Amino acid sequence: AQSVTQLGSHVSVSEGALVLLRCNYSSSVPPYLFWYVQYPNQGLQLLLKYTSAATLVKGINGFEAEFKKSETSFHLTKPSAHMSDAAEYFCAVSDLYSGYALNFGKGTSLLVTP
Amino acid sequence: GAVVSQHPSWVICKSGTSVKIECRSLDFQATTMFWYRQFPKQSLMLMATSNEGSKATYEQGVEKDKFLINHASLTLSTLTVTSAHPEDSSFYICSAKPRERVGELFFGEGSRLTVL
Repeated sequence: AQSVTQLGSHVSVSEGALVLLRCNYSSSVPPYLFWYVQYPNQGLQLLLKYTSAATLVKGINGFEAEFKKSETSFHLTKPSAHMSDAAEYFCAVSDLYSGYALNFGKGTSLLVTP
Repeated sequence: GAVVSQHPSWVICKSGTSVKIECRSLDFQATTMFWYRQFPKQSLMLMATSNEGSKATYEQGVEKDKFLINHASLTLSTLTVTSAHPEDSSFYICSAKPRERVGELFFGEGSRLTVL
């Protein structure tokens, strides 16, 4: 069965600083990997996805993530944090055997300080 | 494109009543829809998978008689919480998989259920 682990339930960065949210996955078959952002009382917004094409994936709002098979990682980065980036971030994995149902990590709450 | 509409966004009901939540794919056909549940400050937990025209597949620990899922068409799935109790209060989110896209899901805005 596939799963993801998000290291750090809370991450705090200063405005303008680098954002790094960590995600490691396990999957017995080639995975599809996703990062979603969730604002309070709202649904999920897709930031980016890896579906076996380029390993460096660029998403919306300046976010990007790199798929590293050797490290089973899919960390999310953004060069310069904005106050509006404060939200909950979820890493998720799916594969053919799961019927493409997403299996989510526990989430990382990003706090951006002035 | 690829918009998923979920209704209602908020619902408050009395204990013992039933509540229906609708999930519609507005501009694509969804062969598969997934229902998730999210408790406050927690992650999303998959409840069930529904394929158009067939019975839903429930995850372990999810009561199929309490959470009735119907996927009557390629654009509509419904979740009915039957005989709701306060412990059913949660954020329910649906997602839909377009027929022509592999591995990608689109999410509704979620429905906040509060059972008094």
